[in-house]
Amino acid sequence: GNSVTQMEGPVTLSEEAFLTINCTYTATGYPSLFWYVQYPGEGLQLLLKATKADDKGSNKGFEATYRKETTSFHLEKGSVQVSDSAVYFCALSGPGGANSKLTFGKGITLSVRP
Amino acid sequence: DSGVTQTPKHLITATGQRVTLRCSPRSGDLSVYWYQQSLDQGLQFLIQYYNGEERAKGNILERFSAQQFPDLHSELNLSSLELGDSALYFCASSVEAGETQYFGPGTRLLVL
Repeated sequence: GNSVTQMEGPVTLSEEAFLTINCTYTATGYPSLFWYVQYPGEGLQLLLKATKADDKGSNKGFEATYRKETTSFHLEKGSVQVSDSAVYFCALSGPGGANSKLTFGKGITLSVRP
Repeated sequence: DSGVTQTPKHLITATGQRVTLRCSPRSGDLSVYWYQQSLDQGLQFLIQYYNGEERAKGNILERFSAQQFPDLHSELNLSSLELGDSALYFCASSVEAGETQYFGPGTRLLVL
């Protein structure tokens, strides 16, 4: 079945540091890949997505590239801010509408200090 | 604001009881998904409905059931509650199955 593996956390960075959060997946075919973010006390928000190999998703300075050859979708940001402190989930769905449920990684907590 | 609403926000109840969680999807979305978030299991898919019909089932206990009504809102019923059912329950919706899912704020259930 489908699975998502995220690097172990938590991660603590200083403001303006470079961020990389690793995510690898196992799936048959070509799933869609997502990063969701959960701020304290809130629900999940879609951060970015990619639906085919070599696609790059980007939003709010965050980027991730769908790498079929390494089955990875690593999240990066060049300069983090205190407001980026949250839990980040990598997820996949599909392929195909019949298998549209999301499979999530365990999530990683990011803390950014001033 | 994703446009998905869930009620109630918090629910405290006792073991053996039954509760109903409600979800209203974004306007126009036909597909509704339920997920459970707990410390030990993480985020897990429970069940999906599409335009009133059950489409897929995940790790949903037999004590749990759901339905989607003609106006497309959905309810998740949890019965014979146990301490281990304490979790955050999320609803998500999408225009069609396979499209991007947008999540509600969740219902936090505490079983005492």
